[in-house]
Amino acid sequence: GEDVEQSLFLSVREGDSSVINCTYTDSSSTYLYWYKQEPGAGLQLLTYIFSNMDMKQDQRLTVLLNKKDKHLSLRIADTQTGDSAIYFCAESPYNFNKFYFGSGTKLNVKP
Amino acid sequence: GAVVSQHPSWVICKSGTSVKIECRSLDFQATTMFWYRQFPKQSLMLMATSNEGSKATYEQGVEKDKFLINHASLTLSTLTVTSAHPEDSSFYICSARPGTSFGELFFGEGSRLTVL
Repeated sequence: GEDVEQSLFLSVREGDSSVINCTYTDSSSTYLYWYKQEPGAGLQLLTYIFSNMDMKQDQRLTVLLNKKDKHLSLRIADTQTGDSAIYFCAESPYNFNKFYFGSGTKLNVKP
Repeated sequence: GAVVSQHPSWVICKSGTSVKIECRSLDFQATTMFWYRQFPKQSLMLMATSNEGSKATYEQGVEKDKFLINHASLTLSTLTVTSAHPEDSSFYICSARPGTSFGELFFGEGSRLTVL
């Protein structure tokens, strides 16, 4: 499979911004995603970005894509304790016939 | 939102037996279903991609004869772990993509397999 890399842990204080980073290797990746996994639950899509975009903002979430460096980031503004979860980045080609996930970053938000 | 159900959520079996895990899309038709194995350090490894009515496409390194995948209908895919051994113990997750979706996947809650 394709390599999608993430750091394993991130700890922030409530109210701070969180930035979760991801790198990928497949240059044919067309869609890049951020999924969230809460304890005991399945993964849920948070947001996605098309490869011809540099940035996408959705309320407290900002996704930045550096296609040249194959680097994707997710910024969560004003992080809340309810944001504590595992965040996975993922990529797929244009025909969605494969989805490769990173190792997931466990975000711990301290009150 | 769309719901994907996996069953069983937890199964314990003896070494050498076979175990079947079901993945159902409850309120949509899934053109494609994906099976993942989640390792202890969180990482999700894609095992295979299955399309309804055709043979599954396995990722490199995944044994086709050990992990049998059947996508019999647009709402059901099954993963059978044949002749299970302790090293097959893991968390198996399925996901489904609706035919109308741009690419969003809906995930089941996973099935934990423990092989004694």
